[in-house]
Amino acid sequence: NAGVTQTPKFRILKIGQSMTLQCAQDMNHNYMYWYRQDPGMGLKLIYYSVGAGITDKGEVPNGYNVSRSTTEDFPLRLELAAPSQTSVYFCASSYLPVPQGAQYFGPGTRLLVL
Amino acid sequence: LAKTTQPISMDSYEGQEVNITCSHNNIATNDYITWYQQFPSQGPRFIIQGYKTKVTNEVASLFIPADRKSSTLSLPRVSLSDTAVYYCLVGDRQTGANNLFFGTGTRLTVIP
Repeated sequence: NAGVTQTPKFRILKIGQSMTLQCAQDMNHNYMYWYRQDPGMGLKLIYYSVGAGITDKGEVPNGYNVSRSTTEDFPLRLELAAPSQTSVYFCASSYLPVPQGAQYFGPGTRLLVL
Repeated sequence: LAKTTQPISMDSYEGQEVNITCSHNNIATNDYITWYQQFPSQGPRFIIQGYKTKVTNEVASLFIPADRKSSTLSLPRVSLSDTAVYYCLVGDRQTGANNLFFGTGTRLTVIP
């Protein structure tokens, strides 16, 4: 099993550009999550999904969108990138809903907005 | 919401036992306590979870007193590879991901 994979590893965006961060898991987990982590800080939840076709906002959803058309994939869309979105983005999945289920994290995507 | 408080950083020598305490004074009846470990440039990794008393796995032990207002993660005989940030999370299944906060964690540095 590859676990949770994320692409790209690193990306530089110009202000106002858009991009999609890809996340895929091969563990057949229903629950998936997107977090961002700013330098020296903990993770903040952006969006999460409890199954295909169902998504919900987390703590910091503004400026982002998600979709969940399959169990495996949970892409995160950035519209009109801003410098405040410079961060490391982590995708995670779990078999059971948190906190009951352990979250499995991907390696992260480092995004720089200039 | 059950807020958690952890020391910002700790140092330990190799081979010692390390105890990291997390305070969660307003923990609710249905809340679980979960610990994650994060190495630099990696995503967090689940270590251990508990509800009360003591839980042990191959990596760590988690001690939770009867009042559950705090918890202690115990790492036996740490090595240099245990240098990481450790996060304590408190939350319940009913409210789920939206009420599970990572905080800034405890940065553990293991010294040779």
